[in-house]
Amino acid sequence: EAQVTQNPRYLITVTGKKLTVTCSQNMNHEYMSWYRQDPGLGLRQIYYSMNVEVTDKGDVPEGYKVSRKEKRNFPLILESPSPNQTSLYFCASSSTPRGNQPQHFGDGTRLSIL
Amino acid sequence: EDQVTQSPEALRLQEGESSSLNCSYTVSGLRGLFWYRQDPGKGPEFLFTLYSAGEEKEKERLKATLTKKESFLHITAPKPEDSATYLCAVHPGGSSNTGKLIFGQGTTLQVKP
Repeated sequence: EAQVTQNPRYLITVTGKKLTVTCSQNMNHEYMSWYRQDPGLGLRQIYYSMNVEVTDKGDVPEGYKVSRKEKRNFPLILESPSPNQTSLYFCASSSTPRGNQPQHFGDGTRLSIL
Repeated sequence: EDQVTQSPEALRLQEGESSSLNCSYTVSGLRGLFWYRQDPGKGPEFLFTLYSAGEEKEKERLKATLTKKESFLHITAPKPEDSATYLCAVHPGGSSNTGKLIFGQGTTLQVKP
């Protein structure tokens, strides 16, 4: 089954404790992206990747890091999480490098940072 | 600045009562406009892609249309199972060859039996 898998689905942690949210897709897609979703603000793009070793900033990259060492994986790293990063996070992938084909989304990761 | 605005924020309909959701956009060029459906606790699910003004796509009770400034998602004779949040997203073009995707804030639709 074609899917985007995120882990963990839920996480409660404390300020400053480094964490990684993993994302994996099994569709051999070129493009992957991370979004955060907040009430009243909608989905906002954090980072995206058009291919292995190619990443670029979205609209809200501050406080986040990403890497794309393999085509199927695109982890999101919070090196020093803060409470304002409490949010619902989605990973997505698309078949074309610029992502201008439909994106397939994971089921989300709910992060709470105390 | 590239921007996507959806209206209304929330919409309540009776079963069978047709209506339309609006997505207005201002972007430097348009490489594609997408409609997604999002159910509570789930990731967005793809519905339609529109690429040029005048284009229309249909799927069951849903029909998406596109002009140079906005897109509409028409819902004909909705059923309770159509209740969800509908998201519009724009892939801007212009001179930069980016992978950015800009979402509107969504319209939450509730259809009562």
